[in-house]
Amino acid sequence: EAEVAQSPRYKITEKSQAVAFWCDPISGHATLYWYRQILGQGPELLVQFQDESVVDDSQLPKDRFSAERLKGVDSTLKIQPAELGDSAMYLCASSFISGRSYEQYFGPGTRLTVT
Amino acid sequence: GQQLNQSPQSMFIQEGEDVSMNCTSSSIFNTWLWYKQDPGEGPVLLIALYKAGELTSNGRLTAQFGITRKDSFLNISASIPSDVGIYFCAGQGGSNYKLTFGKGTLLTVNP
Repeated sequence: EAEVAQSPRYKITEKSQAVAFWCDPISGHATLYWYRQILGQGPELLVQFQDESVVDDSQLPKDRFSAERLKGVDSTLKIQPAELGDSAMYLCASSFISGRSYEQYFGPGTRLTVT
Repeated sequence: GQQLNQSPQSMFIQEGEDVSMNCTSSSIFNTWLWYKQDPGEGPVLLIALYKAGELTSNGRLTAQFGITRKDSFLNISASIPSDVGIYFCAGQGGSNYKLTFGKGTLLTVNP
């Protein structure tokens, strides 16, 4: 069964360091999402791509976060510099928006701890 | 922004019992989705609902899309220990199909 791949699964970094996460969506899924999930909360959208274009990055803290999907397939989310408050689960999801198929499928996530 | 109220926050039940949880919104959604998340993992899609009034089942799970399009519920029948986890509702609306999540319902099943 096709799955969304993410790496690394866990990352510990010191504040002020740079960190990057990678996501490979389900093959054929044109839409890719990055979410942040704080413990005890539901995921919140950071950025949405349609192919290689950003559709929504209104909740992305652009002073320190950046995201790219250069060839419209896999994607990288970067934080520089990391802050203590960035500790969270970072989830990638993908979907194939066609007709009624708006379902988003999530990867296993990257658990980030900033010390 | 849009807010989803998911209740209850947590449930502790005995194996074999039925469970019901729900989500309400101040805004209308076009689609309701229900996910289950195990600790340290990403959410897994359980059921998707596309039409007001729609009732959909997936094994022991049944979910309904409210007539007003502002609410949805999820029922789990004859719970088993592997049902333990956090259940999230998510409403989808707008031109970019953005998902808004509830805060989750933590389900604990006592064998």
